[in-house]
Amino acid sequence: AQRVTQPEKLLSVFKGAPVELKCNYSYSGSPELFWYVQYSRQRLQLLLRHISRESIKGFTADLNKGETSFHLKKPFAQEEDSAMYYCALSGGDSGYSTLTFGKGTMLLVSP
Amino acid sequence: DAGVTQSPTHLIKTRGQQVTLRCSPISGHKSVSWYQQVLGQGPQFIFQYYEKEERGRGNFPDRFSARQFPNYSSELNVNALLLGDSALYLCASSSAGQGSYEQYFGPGTRLTVT
Repeated sequence: AQRVTQPEKLLSVFKGAPVELKCNYSYSGSPELFWYVQYSRQRLQLLLRHISRESIKGFTADLNKGETSFHLKKPFAQEEDSAMYYCALSGGDSGYSTLTFGKGTMLLVSP
Repeated sequence: DAGVTQSPTHLIKTRGQQVTLRCSPISGHKSVSWYQQVLGQGPQFIFQYYEKEERGRGNFPDRFSARQFPNYSSELNVNALLLGDSALYLCASSSAGQGSYEQYFGPGTRLTVT
């Protein structure tokens, strides 16, 4: 069975501080990992995916297969980063692109 | 393109009733997935449809069913509603079914069962 764990419900930091949102996964195959973000009153949207290895809005995430982790990082948090962040895994025997989500971490960036 | 659209926005039903939720994917997208998001939890996968065929099903009872129409829009039906079915129901579309194609989410339908 596949599982995604986000251990922190809430992460509160000050503007300019580094941010790390933790994500650990359990999956027997070769996973594809994503971070989705939901800003206040907006729909869920893709932030980044591990296979693209790109930085979006200053966020990066590296897949560590040895530690089965996909932590989201940003060196200097901004107030506009305040949102709900979900780590998600794409897999399944069928190969179809269904997503397994973690419970989410609320990031609050204070001025 | 308005993106993925869902209707209705909000819905209140009583226990035992049946409900139908609707989803229109982004133009050109052939895959639609449904997710249930209970308060305080991440979205949980219910169904995926691709080219009008069911391609995946999550761990939900048979009270939940869905279908996809020739224009790729989709309906989610829930029979014999329980209080625990109260949730935000999300629809997501993608350009294909297999592989890790980006899923685009709709705003959701908030279902309250009393």
